[in-house]
Amino acid sequence: EVQLVESGGGLVQPGGSLRLSCAASGFTFSSYWMSWVRQTPGKGLEWVANIKQDGSEKYYVHSVKGRFTISRDNAKSSLYLQMNSLRAEDTAVYFCARAASSSWFHWGQGTLVTVSS
Amino acid sequence: QSALTQPASVSGSPGQSITISCTGTSSDVGSYNLVSWYQQHPGKAPKLMIYEVSKWPSGVSNRFSGSKSGTTASLTISGLQAEDEADYYCCSYAGSNTYVFGTGTKVTVL
Repeated sequence: EVQLVESGGGLVQPGGSLRLSCAASGFTFSSYWMSWVRQTPGKGLEWVANIKQDGSEKYYVHSVKGRFTISRDNAKSSLYLQMNSLRAEDTAVYFCARAASSSWFHWGQGTLVTVSS
Repeated sequence: QSALTQPASVSGSPGQSITISCTGTSSDVGSYNLVSWYQQHPGKAPKLMIYEVSKWPSGVSNRFSGSKSGTTASLTISGLQAEDEADYYCCSYAGSNTYVFGTGTKVTVL
């Protein structure tokens, strides 16, 4: 069974940093593109970033470019999102998701990031 | 990149059919047959219902069907059931390895 478990969320002040992790199991992690998708409280979904199987390609939504970095460790079956210079508008639940056919077939339960002073 | 446009809410009675629209532009929905649909119940993670416009993931009921015409994609739920009450989001590939979601639609079963 595919499992994706996010961790690392919490309360951080504006301008601060946070690193999210996603532990994957139940599939060959190194064979899939992986993504982060976020959902602001009471609002919609937003794709944040994608990373290729070997980490050689990374793509970001415009609003996080230069502030967020997606990475992965295939030996540990883990996905990461380093978030710097956090803003109030980054407050959201962050989901880790496995990508295929330009869609996300499997999702984690999400981790809440709150940016507030 | 602006969010794809969906109606805020759609409702129907049990057994009826409803359709949710998802309007984009020639840069996303209109250019690629890579539209997906997600169902989300409160406090839960999204669940993929349709991918590549009209394909079903394993385990998803064929009461859900997808289509696309021009810059508008649609999700139809046939034989509406109480368990279908949820939020639904469309998503489209937007080129250059980027994606854009829809604004979301709350489906209410009357």
